[in-house]
Amino acid sequence: AQSVTQLGSHVSVSEGALVLLRCNYSSSVPPYLFWYVQYPNQGLQLLLKYTSAATLVKGINDFEAEFKKSETSFHLTKPSAHMSDAAEYFCAVSLSGNTPLVFGKGTRLSVIA
Amino acid sequence: EAGVAQSPRYKIIEKRQSVAFWCNPISGHATLYWYQQILGQGPKLLIQFQNNGVVDDSQLPKDRFSAERLKGVDSTLKIQPAKLEDSAVYLCASRNTGTEAFFGQGTRLTVV
Repeated sequence: AQSVTQLGSHVSVSEGALVLLRCNYSSSVPPYLFWYVQYPNQGLQLLLKYTSAATLVKGINDFEAEFKKSETSFHLTKPSAHMSDAAEYFCAVSLSGNTPLVFGKGTRLSVIA
Repeated sequence: EAGVAQSPRYKIIEKRQSVAFWCNPISGHATLYWYQQILGQGPKLLIQFQNNGVVDDSQLPKDRFSAERLKGVDSTLKIQPAKLEDSAVYLCASRNTGTEAFFGQGTRLTVV
């Protein structure tokens, strides 16, 4: 069975600083990996996805993530944080294009002016 | 492209009452999921449909939860009777093979 571990339930960064949100996964087969963002009282919005193509994945709003098989990691980064990036971020894994997404517990990102 | 539609957005009921949620997925998406998201946690799968058939309902509390997807399009999720611990956001998502899942805005259920 697949699983996701997000290290740090809360991350706080200054505006303009690097954002790094950590995600480690376990999967019996090459996984599909996703990062979603959730704003208060909203559903989940896809930031980026890895589906066995390029290991460095670029997403919306300058977010990117790198798939590292040897480390079973898929960490999310952004070079410069904006106030509007404050939200809850979820990493998810799926065994295939049809199987359910399994989510981590989420990381709340705070951006300090 | 229209997104995943869910209704209602909010619902408050007393324990032991029943409640139903509705989801209209993106047109053409064969896969539909219902997730439960308890405050402060990640979404947890309740049930997966492929067209109008159930693929995975292993985590659905079947003594009180039921779901159906008539004609392989819209879906409803029902809770009867509700318990206090059912208070959560219920998220519907749809997916085409090999793509990401698209989520609706969710229904926030409060059981008092």
